[in-house]
Amino acid sequence: DQQVKQNSPSLSVQEGRISILNCDYTNSMFDYFLWYKKYPAEGPTFLISISSIKDKNEDGRFTVFLNKSAKHLSLHIVPSQPGDSAVYFCAASRVGGSGAGSYQLTFGKGTKLSVIP
Amino acid sequence: DSGVTQTPKHLITATGQRVTLRCSPRSGDLSVYWYQQSLDQGLQFLIQYYNGEERAKGNILERFSAQQFPDLHSELNLSSLELGDSALYFCASSEIHLPQHFGDGTRLSIL
Repeated sequence: DQQVKQNSPSLSVQEGRISILNCDYTNSMFDYFLWYKKYPAEGPTFLISISSIKDKNEDGRFTVFLNKSAKHLSLHIVPSQPGDSAVYFCAASRVGGSGAGSYQLTFGKGTKLSVIP
Repeated sequence: DSGVTQTPKHLITATGQRVTLRCSPRSGDLSVYWYQQSLDQGLQFLIQYYNGEERAKGNILERFSAQQFPDLHSELNLSSLELGDSALYFCASSEIHLPQHFGDGTRLSIL
């Protein structure tokens, strides 16, 4: 049972345009969401996160949107650059109000983004 | 460079053998997490340690075990290895909460 789903295995975008990567989750207990970028032969690198009390978080060219009612989040990259070509993983965690959560991450299978010059 | 160090980078061994993967977390990070990435699978959480104590377990096989030492480095022990254990094993660390910062992984190949 896959609790975090990234339904697009790959995405190609022209340099300078917007990249939109999507992620759906099924577990309503998830309350914290993260995006990681991964280059070949390297570990995942943290990009941006969002708590369930927000619906948007921005950091430079990266914006994450959260739609709790739809259990959907998306990562927008504007403008896209060739160096953004990588596999992007969506991850979710159950932090909880008490802070006693384990913070383990449940990952999607990733979307490979190719930015074409 | 995330600051998380994993050794070795590659490990090739045979079925039935036992291996130990090592992880040094970022300076100051108390939590260590282990994840497994098999072919066509996303990263699967195995186990978490916080300041030397086991905090959470995921789908970790009984043949696998881990520990975190007083200097906060962690080791993942895999025994009675099977072909299906071939995977990338990632270690991540965090100060207390999120986000987690990942090492570059150990690629384990079982022949």
